[in-house]
Amino acid sequence: KQEVTQIPAALSVPEGENLVLNCSFTDSAIYNLQWFRQDPGKGLTSLLLIQSSQREQTSGRLNASLDKSSGRSTLYIAASQPGDSATYLCAVWPGVTGNQFYFGTGTSLTVIP
Amino acid sequence: GAGVSQSPRYKVAKRGQDVALRCDPISGHVSLFWYQQALGQGPEFLTYFQNEAQLDKSGLPSDRFFAERPEGSVSTLKIQRTQQEDSAVYLCASSLVYRVAEAFFGQGTRLTVV
Repeated sequence: KQEVTQIPAALSVPEGENLVLNCSFTDSAIYNLQWFRQDPGKGLTSLLLIQSSQREQTSGRLNASLDKSSGRSTLYIAASQPGDSATYLCAVWPGVTGNQFYFGTGTSLTVIP
Repeated sequence: GAGVSQSPRYKVAKRGQDVALRCDPISGHVSLFWYQQALGQGPEFLTYFQNEAQLDKSGLPSDRFFAERPEGSVSTLKIQRTQQEDSAVYLCASSLVYRVAEAFFGQGTRLTVV
């Protein structure tokens, strides 16, 4: 079974700082990887989807990279803002078979004004 | 609709009561997923539909859990004889096609069993 780990579990940074969130997965044979944001008491908002053939995706201040062979992805957030405070989850879709995303437990980010 | 819609947003059930949770996926989306999220945890897979066919129900925790999507659009997750351990947020997601497309999640239904 695919295991997904996110480090750190929690992160607190001052406003304006650049930061990196990490996601690692045990089986490198993935089809795609998706980063989500979850605000307290809310559902998941899709941030970026990276197909297995891609190395990175960018959206605004967000940049996600994927290194399949080492089983890692990073989410880079530039010039963090208090509105970025949320839990960030990564999820992988297995490559060969399977009908589900496997999620990490998330990184809880607090950006201090 | 513009996004995945789930109802109710909150549900309080007495232990032993049956509940039904509804999911309206994005129009035209073939794939539909149900996930369960315990407090402080990542979502855990429950079941998957491709159109009206339930192709995977391996994540359903017991035979008290039942899901359907009879016309390939709206889906209902039913939990019979609720137990306290069923308390969680139930998330529904849909995607345009199987596997390759971005998945979009609803706001979730928070179920509390008392």
